[in-house]
Amino acid sequence: DAGVIQSPRHEVTEMGQEVTLRCKPISGHNSLFWYRQTMMRGLELLIYFNNNVPIDDSGMPEDRFSAKMPNASFSTLKIQPSEPRDSAVYFCASSIRRDRNYYGYTFGSGTRLTVV
Amino acid sequence: SQQGEEDPQALSIQEGENATMNCSYKTSINNLQWYRQNSGRGLVHLILIRSNEREKHSGRLRVTLDTSKKSSSLLITASRAADTASYFCAPLIQGAQKLVFGQGTRLTINP
Repeated sequence: DAGVIQSPRHEVTEMGQEVTLRCKPISGHNSLFWYRQTMMRGLELLIYFNNNVPIDDSGMPEDRFSAKMPNASFSTLKIQPSEPRDSAVYFCASSIRRDRNYYGYTFGSGTRLTVV
Repeated sequence: SQQGEEDPQALSIQEGENATMNCSYKTSINNLQWYRQNSGRGLVHLILIRSNEREKHSGRLRVTLDTSKKSSSLLITASRAADTASYFCAPLIQGAQKLVFGQGTRLTINP
């Protein structure tokens, strides 16, 4: 099992540019989560999906952020336009939820985004 | 708040000693999970304890849960340098579907 795969691993972009982060969850997992981690704010949940449907996007900072999950094996997080304060490590995680049974999350290695 | 709060914020011990980290939360939970994060890496799931369980073991890890006190502890026995990492607890609140993470405990194992 290759685990949760995120790309790119590192991204440096100029302020105002569009940034797209990608995630491939573990096959068979039906929940997907996007987190952002900074020293100041810690690990923040941005949005999560169940069965490809966005359930809670209350953590998305503002309209510049959008996320999609067109199918069970792929999700994107887009920032347009990017700003220096968006610099952070962005993690994708996936999990299984069946009936009332919950399982641990598997995290990807993250994308380190630097906006200059 | 849905997140757990870890205590202490930082812990430094000698290799071979035991390390204990605590977690408190505020509302009824479905389960509580512990994660480890090595520097520059993603979080790794360590153990999940359900609300009807009081203790769980996994190798050198021992987790306890006291729902009456809304607290949990993670014990790492016979610590090793490779255990140096940040440790996070994440309570899954009843009715919720997401984990919210706190600031974690930064554990340093000195050789």
